[in-house]
Amino acid sequence: NAGVTQTPKFQVLKTGQSMTLQCAQDMNHNSMYWYRQDPGMGLRLIYYSASEGTTDKGEVPNGYNVSRLNKREFSLRLESAAPSQTSVYFCASTERGFPYEQYFGPGTRLTVT
Amino acid sequence: AQKITQTQPGMFVQEKEAVTLDCTYDTSDQSYGLFWYKQPSSGEMIFLIYQGSYDEQNATEGRYSLNFQKARKSANLVISASQLGDSAMYFCAMREAGNQFYFGTGTSLTVIP
Repeated sequence: NAGVTQTPKFQVLKTGQSMTLQCAQDMNHNSMYWYRQDPGMGLRLIYYSASEGTTDKGEVPNGYNVSRLNKREFSLRLESAAPSQTSVYFCASTERGFPYEQYFGPGTRLTVT
Repeated sequence: AQKITQTQPGMFVQEKEAVTLDCTYDTSDQSYGLFWYKQPSSGEMIFLIYQGSYDEQNATEGRYSLNFQKARKSANLVISASQLGDSAMYFCAMREAGNQFYFGTGTSLTVIP
């Protein structure tokens, strides 16, 4: 039981390059999330998917797209990376309702030069 | 307005002493959940404790307890008998009736031997 997995763990991109961050969970959770973490700013929600087939914007969606490929997988795409997207990205999943907490992946450290 | 406010960017505590990390929240929902997560220097997010808005008793999990004051909209984390391994970032989070979680900016706790 791996929980939430993310690939890659580290990535360096040049400005303008594109890439996809992959996330998968094996807990049969309905809801999945993408966050970015920057120093002093906590975790900010980029996009989330309440259930398979749905996605919604969070607090900071600009410059990102997502795909809920199936119940297990939720990917985050940067179409044209910018230095402002240098951050640590976390994927999380949870079941709907209370008292369910989020389970987090190990994070992806992305640097855009 | 911020949904979650953590006003202590950094805290120090002597080993074996208790420490309180502050968290206030803002919601007009009657039904919500409050969570605390720990993030050690290794980067993973670890769930610590949950408090539901209708729970009459404060939540406890081992050395962690949540001091829930609903009228004041505060959900402070109390760590008793601090250990060196408690040195980490601590995040308060809230889940409303929808699927979004809101995180504070975190408190960095350092335990002094």
